[in-house]
Amino acid sequence: GESVGLHLPTLSVQEGDNSIINCAYSNSASDYFIWYKQESGKGPQFIIDIRSNMDKRQGQRVTVLLNKTVKHLSLQIAATQPGDSAVYFCAEKLNTGTASKLTFGTGTRLQVTL
Amino acid sequence: DAGITQSPRHKVTETGTPVTLRCHQTENHRYMYWYRQDPGHGLRLIHYSYGVKDTDKGEVSDGYSVSRSKTEDFLLTLESATSSQTSVYFCAIRPGTGNTIYFGEGSWLTVV
Repeated sequence: GESVGLHLPTLSVQEGDNSIINCAYSNSASDYFIWYKQESGKGPQFIIDIRSNMDKRQGQRVTVLLNKTVKHLSLQIAATQPGDSAVYFCAEKLNTGTASKLTFGTGTRLQVTL
Repeated sequence: DAGITQSPRHKVTETGTPVTLRCHQTENHRYMYWYRQDPGHGLRLIHYSYGVKDTDKGEVSDGYSVSRSKTEDFLLTLESATSSQTSVYFCAIRPGTGNTIYFGEGSWLTVV
């Protein structure tokens, strides 16, 4: 399949180092945030989520930080591995009270060098 | 694996022809979505469904229609395909108890 997002910002990280991927979200009324990973030719894969009443949430090798003051979200990947190479993007959900509709960022490409 | 199957996975079609993409899920989820993904844009919602025969428009619904006659199937139809509809189309589901949506593997559509 073709690669989507050929001109994305790229973060290049050496294997074993930590990665930090940033996302600025748009709406202060958003109450839920998700990070997705998308490998070339595949569908987006859920990584981790966080609610707006939290500042930090940890998963396996990943941590999401939320700064509501500046509407900023970050994804930290510990001990980055070659299999982490992908496009990462964030999504936000407005508290609309209806079926959840997510707004997606355009993403950052993570390249892991050996 | 979210139990989503999209078909066809790849299709090339001519301008003006009708095209239907199928999304099939195996886990009886109520909410289903169709998104398109294009360079320079985040995923954009085309249509979504909150039950059998219950559908609504997303932000880029022009030129698309959907149908959901069974819980497990959500069809996206391009009545008369245009080159601007060349894109990658993703079906997604949302389990009723959460806010996260889970995506299928995508359908690559090229309109020539």
